[in-house]
Formats: sequence, structure tokens, C-alpha cells
Amino acid sequence: AQRVTQPEKLLSVFKGAPVELKCNYSYSGSPELFWYVQYSRQRLQLLLRHISRESIKGFTADLNKGETSFHLKKPFAQEEDSAMYYCALSVSAAGNKLTFGGGTRVLVKP
Amino acid sequence: GAVVSQHPSRVICKSGTSVKIECRSLDFQATTMFWYRQFPKQSLMLMATSNEGSKATYEQGVEKDKFLINHASLTLSTLTVTSAHPEDSSFYICSATQGTGELFFGEGSRLTVL
Repeated sequence: AQRVTQPEKLLSVFKGAPVELKCNYSYSGSPELFWYVQYSRQRLQLLLRHISRESIKGFTADLNKGETSFHLKKPFAQEEDSAMYYCALSVSAAGNKLTFGGGTRVLVKP
Repeated sequence: GAVVSQHPSRVICKSGTSVKIECRSLDFQATTMFWYRQFPKQSLMLMATSNEGSKATYEQGVEKDKFLINHASLTLSTLTVTSAHPEDSSFYICSATQGTGELFFGEGSRLTVL
């Protein structure tokens, strides 16, 4: 069975500092990886997915199949980036069924 | 973007009663809807996958007689928590997809069982 691990429950950084959220997965096939974000009092929303290779709100994530990782990075964190971030994995054979990591709370201090 | 709406957002009920939570896709037809449960400060745990017109597929450990899921139309899925007990108190979230790969999430429904 697939599994997603986010080792950090909380990341606290100062505004303007780089931030990296770690995500490791275990799955023997070729999964699709996502990052979802949940801002305070808002619903979960898609931040980015590995197949689109986009940069959203300054965030990027690269799928490293060798290390089975999909770390999320932003070079200069902003206060509005404070939120809960979830890494998720989808197996194509299972449709859009997502397996979520435990989540990382990011706090960007002024 | 596509919108998924859940109702009610908060519900309090007495132990032993049943509670129904609705999940609607407002501006698209959802081929599949998913129901998750989220405990405080924990991640989302998938409970079941719901396809319109067919029986839901439950994840291991989820009691299908306890959590009844109905997906009567392409825009509506319901989750009924039957004979609710305090341990069923949780945040229930639905998501929907129109088959493009992207999931759209509802705002969640907080259930408190007294």
C-alpha cells in the first residue's frame, strides 16, 4: 500500500527566508504527487501537482523518483504563506483516490 | 474554479441519533466523490469513494453500516452517520472530481455528538 510521510509537523521561518517542506512517499509504481494547502478557516485547495511542473505562488516541487521525494520549496517566504500544507499521492489505477501525508504547519513570522 | 459545498457546516446531535451530511458539486458534474475524516491536528483519512449510481467503496476499517453513503446524482453525495456516538465526533470533508485529475474540496462539516 502507498504511504506519504511529512516528517515536520511545524516549520517556523522568518519572512524572506527560504522554506522547504519535506515529503517522502512509498509506492512501487508511478504515482502522481500533489501539494495541497489549507489557509486558516478555508478549505483545502490544490497548490501544485508534479505533472504540471508549474510554479504557484513562488512554490516549486520536484519529483525525485530515486529518493521517492516531492519536497516543496519557496526561496522567500511571505506571511501569507502561513498555512497547513499536505503532500498527497494518487495512484492512477485507483482513480483520484488520494493518500495524504500528516501535514506540515508553516508559520511565517514578520 | 469548480465549487464543492457541504451542508451543514456544523451539527450537534445527541448520542444514538443519525446525522446526514450533504456534499454538492455546484457547477460541475462529479463522476466521483470522496469522503474523508479528519481528527484534530491530524491528516485527512479517506473513508470511502462514491460513484454516482453505484455502491460506495469503503476503506479498510470503515464500517459501511455506520457510515452510509449515497450518491444519487452527479452533483450530490450524502454521508449519514447512523446511531452516532461521541467517538464519531470529527471533521468530515468531501471532495469531488469531474475526471480531470484535480480534486475540489468542500469546506468540511464538524460533527459533535453529545
